[in-house]
Amino acid sequence: KAGVTQTPRYLIKTRGQQVTLSCSPISGHRSVSWYQQTPGQGLQFLFEYFSETQRNKGNFPGRFSGRQFSNSRSEMNVSTLELGDSALYLCASSLAIPDTQYFGPGTRLTVL
Amino acid sequence: GENVEQHPSTLSVQEGDSAVIKCTYSDSASNYFPWYKQELGKRPQLIIDIRSNVGEKKDQRIAVTLNKTAKHFSLHITETQPEDSAVYFCAAMDSGGYQKVTFGTGTKLQVIP
Repeated sequence: KAGVTQTPRYLIKTRGQQVTLSCSPISGHRSVSWYQQTPGQGLQFLFEYFSETQRNKGNFPGRFSGRQFSNSRSEMNVSTLELGDSALYLCASSLAIPDTQYFGPGTRLTVL
Repeated sequence: GENVEQHPSTLSVQEGDSAVIKCTYSDSASNYFPWYKQELGKRPQLIIDIRSNVGEKKDQRIAVTLNKTAKHFSLHITETQPEDSAVYFCAAMDSGGYQKVTFGTGTKLQVIP
């Protein structure tokens, strides 16, 4: 089975812009979670989707949003980018809830 | 919400020695505790996990122990090898039916040849 894929792998944006990241889970996995990884804050939970419904959300401002499509693919959007949004954004998928999560390679976002 | 503390933040061991990483959690409802290994520039990879109905689990050189009463769990790596060098994250999962995982802050393990 193909693993979790994320696109794009690298992204450079400027402050004030918005960005959309994409995640394709392992085939058959219906739960997709998003995490922000920074050197100072570690891995922080953003949100989780299951069957197109956001079931959980972390402590991030409303500029961070996401959605999940009927094929379980997920996107996350960050509007009005700030310098502090520079991070590695990881998505992870799992077959059931709660269950083992499998991570994608991440999208490295740099905000200038 | 759940809070996971992980210690130490860095750990250096000689090749062949054992390494132990400890985590504590706050939410007594958490019932799934995975451990991830993240090599530089790569994605986190699950190396072992344990559920709350089990006290210990072993997989070759890696073992995890769980003390539900004290709310702590530990990762044990025996006979360490240079390829074990990485950042290790513990995590606790909310058992309320949702996939919300709280990660520890990570331990950078260096195995010195």
